[in-house]
Amino acid sequence: DQQVKQNSPSLSVQEGRISILNCDYTNSMFDYFLWYKKYPAEGPTFLISISSIKDKNEDGRFTVFLNKSAKHLSLHIVPSQPGDSAVYFCAASAEETSGSRLTFGEGTQLTVNP
Amino acid sequence: DAGITQSPRHKVTETGTPVTLRCHQTENHRYMYWYRQDPGHGLRLIHYSYGVKDTDKGEVSDGYSVSRSKTEDFLLTLESATSSQTSVYFCATGRAGELFFGEGSRLTVL
Repeated sequence: DQQVKQNSPSLSVQEGRISILNCDYTNSMFDYFLWYKKYPAEGPTFLISISSIKDKNEDGRFTVFLNKSAKHLSLHIVPSQPGDSAVYFCAASAEETSGSRLTFGEGTQLTVNP
Repeated sequence: DAGITQSPRHKVTETGTPVTLRCHQTENHRYMYWYRQDPGHGLRLIHYSYGVKDTDKGEVSDGYSVSRSKTEDFLLTLESATSSQTSVYFCATGRAGELFFGEGSRLTVL
């Protein structure tokens, strides 16, 4: 039972354009959501998060949108850069605390072409 | 950077042999986790720890055991490795809802 799902295994965009990565979840108890970025042969690194009390959070070129009624979140990268090419994981938890266990999606491979 | 070191980084072993992966952290984080990454599955939680000697199972714990005798060390043991345990294993520590990952240990079971 995949509680967090990223339906697109891969996405290819041109440098300078917008990248939109999508994520759906089924567990209504999830109220804290994160995006992680992973380069080959490295561990995932935290990118951006959003709490369920918000519908948008922005950090530089990265914006995460949350639609609780649709159980859907998305990550927008504007403008996309070749260095953004990586696997992006969506993750969710039932609480924003130190002991929370994250449930991850399958990941989306983003390729930004020069 | 939470100062997480995993060892070994790469290991090839044979079916039926025991394997132990080690995770060492220098940030004094209370919570530690072991995940495995497989194509099409993303990252799945194996076991986690909420303090010294306090551990619990994740969603894919069968065939794995863990131990945490010190705050800084979290060991993952495969008692008798199987080919289905070929994977990349990531250790993580947690703080304020966020996880910090090590660089991974690639295990191949022949």
